[in-house]
Amino acid sequence: DIQMTQSPSSLSASVGDRVTITCRASQSISNYLNWYQQKPGKAPKVLIYAASSLQSGVPSRFSGSGSGTDFTLTITNLQPEDFATYYCQQSHSAPRTFGQGTKVEIK
Amino acid sequence: EVQLVESGGGLVQPGGSLSLSCAASAFTFSTYWMSWVRQAPGKGLEWVANIKADGSEKNYVDSVKGRFTISRDNAENSLYLQMNSLRAEDTALYYCASMIFGGPFDIWGQGTMVTVSS
Repeated sequence: DIQMTQSPSSLSASVGDRVTITCRASQSISNYLNWYQQKPGKAPKVLIYAASSLQSGVPSRFSGSGSGTDFTLTITNLQPEDFATYYCQQSHSAPRTFGQGTKVEIK
Repeated sequence: EVQLVESGGGLVQPGGSLSLSCAASAFTFSTYWMSWVRQAPGKGLEWVANIKADGSEKNYVDSVKGRFTISRDNAENSLYLQMNSLRAEDTALYYCASMIFGGPFDIWGQGTMVTVSS
């Protein structure tokens, strides 16, 4: 199974900050990497697919990069509605594993 | 409106069974892979199972193999998860989600809660 490791597990940031979350796969997954945002009591929502493609309707302050084993989600100009938990997920092969999540909290 | 609505969750004793359903609307259900993803209280997301658009291929996470069965009825736009021999560690909010093969889980339901406890 492919293990996905996110870092950090949590972070504190202020409105307007630039935030970077990393995700590492235990083996190469090419660009089969997706990012999700989950707010309390809500279902996850896809932000980025194929490592760097922005899902329709998602603000352009979200961006993704990477390939192989190392990936990054960047949020520029952090907004109040961005405080949430973020998950990476590989879609290279079954089981389609998720990272453990990164909680972005208000500083 | 594109929608997935899960049902069938509840409280069940260890060793018991439960059947979950997911009703799809406003998208071409019969062309999508579908998945179940669960989230234990206060924990992260765990993919459970998926099924090909025509039902011909199914995959499961190791921890549920032999206990859970995923199925679908494309005529009824519905996805199912039969859960047998339930354990305390199966306690979670179960989401159904459409899946683009090789891509993300792009449409999610709101989830149905399964609690396994005596």
